[in-house]
Amino acid sequence: DVKVTQSSRYLVKRTGEKVFLECVQDMDHENMFWYRQDPGLGLRLIYFSYDVKMKEKGDIPEGYSVSREKKERFSLILESASTNQTSMYLCASSQGQGQTDTQYFGPGTRLTVL
Amino acid sequence: GQNIDQPTEMTATEGAIVQINCTYQTSGFNGLFWYQQHAGEAPTFLSYNVLDGLEEKGRFSSFLSRSKGYSYLLLKELQMKDSASYLCAVLDSNYQLIWGAGTKLIIKP
Repeated sequence: DVKVTQSSRYLVKRTGEKVFLECVQDMDHENMFWYRQDPGLGLRLIYFSYDVKMKEKGDIPEGYSVSREKKERFSLILESASTNQTSMYLCASSQGQGQTDTQYFGPGTRLTVL
Repeated sequence: GQNIDQPTEMTATEGAIVQINCTYQTSGFNGLFWYQQHAGEAPTFLSYNVLDGLEEKGRFSSFLSRSKGYSYLLLKELQMKDSASYLCAVLDSNYQLIWGAGTKLIIKP
């Protein structure tokens, strides 16, 4: 079974703090993704990576950065957290080309920025 | 712009059948996914359609009409555990996934 884990289920941070969200997958997948999920909206892609040390901007990269130093690990960084970044953050991984293959999701991190 | 439309919420009775619709307007089409997401949990893959027609997988079936920009997910013999959100996502001409907001399905005894 593919397993995608995220470092925290719940996180509370203050405005201006630097926030790290970590994601690890154990299936040797090439592709990893970070999404945010907000009520009434579809999943929105923040960043994705098709290979180690590679990253591509998604639809809403502003205010975020990512790091992929190892194949199994993809980190999302909020350089200076703001209240509008309060959301559910989902990490996913997939094999195959880009976003064409089934994605396997982690359980999510619910981030609250005060 | 690109758009995926799904009903926000649906209610059905245990043992019954429910159809969840998804209509899309996207720049091109390279396939459509359905995912299931229980409250507080990760989305999990249900089905993938790229050709017109019905794909059956146990109690769940997914239908696609590319000419109408339309898909539905059909759930038969509903069980309480089917209470979840159902997400529709379309691969556009650039092989980017466009996600719908999801349909919350409530099953009543």
